[in-house]
Amino acid sequence: KAGVTQTPRYLIKTRGQQVTLSCSPISGHRSVSWYQQTPGQGLQFLFEYFSETQRNKGNFPGRFSGRQFSNSRSEMNVSTLELGDSALYLCASSPEERPWLGQYFGPGTRLTVT
Amino acid sequence: AQTVTQSQPEMSVQEAETVTLSCTYDTSESDYYLFWYKQPPSRQMILVIRQEAYKQQNATENRFSVNFQKAAKSFSLKISDSQLGDAAMYFCAYVASGGYQKVTFGTGTKLQVIP
Repeated sequence: KAGVTQTPRYLIKTRGQQVTLSCSPISGHRSVSWYQQTPGQGLQFLFEYFSETQRNKGNFPGRFSGRQFSNSRSEMNVSTLELGDSALYLCASSPEERPWLGQYFGPGTRLTVT
Repeated sequence: AQTVTQSQPEMSVQEAETVTLSCTYDTSESDYYLFWYKQPPSRQMILVIRQEAYKQQNATENRFSVNFQKAAKSFSLKISDSQLGDAAMYFCAYVASGGYQKVTFGTGTKLQVIP
């Protein structure tokens, strides 16, 4: 099976713009989680989707949003970008209804905000 | 709120030697899961080992084993016979069981393996 894929891999945006990141989970996986990884804060949970429903959300401002489609692919959107949004955004999928039992991570999207 | 602390930002080990990475956590839950994830440079994060809190036996996966001390809220990872491919960032993570809980990660420990 193909692994978790994320597109694009690298992105440079300007402050104030918005961005959409995409994640395709492993075939058959219905749970998709998003994380923000920065050197100072480590990995921080953004949100988790299962069968198109957001089941949990981290402590991020409303500028961060996401959705999941019927084929389990997920997107996250960040509006009105700030310099502090520069980070590696990781997506993880799981075949289980309880994703923490086994998460498979994608390579990430490196977002740079200038 | 649950917190996960990795107090060693960086560690190094000689090839073929043994190294132990530390992790402590804080929770009021009695049932939860703990994990160690490995993130090699420019490569994807992978799950190394998982421990269920209600199991007293320490988990092992080949050269990787944990020392789980529930009362002390400590969860260390031991890597035996270290190999060059073990060089990576290692993250300790926690999640409470039941419901749809978010996973909390530590800030990571960068492991260098010296040939």
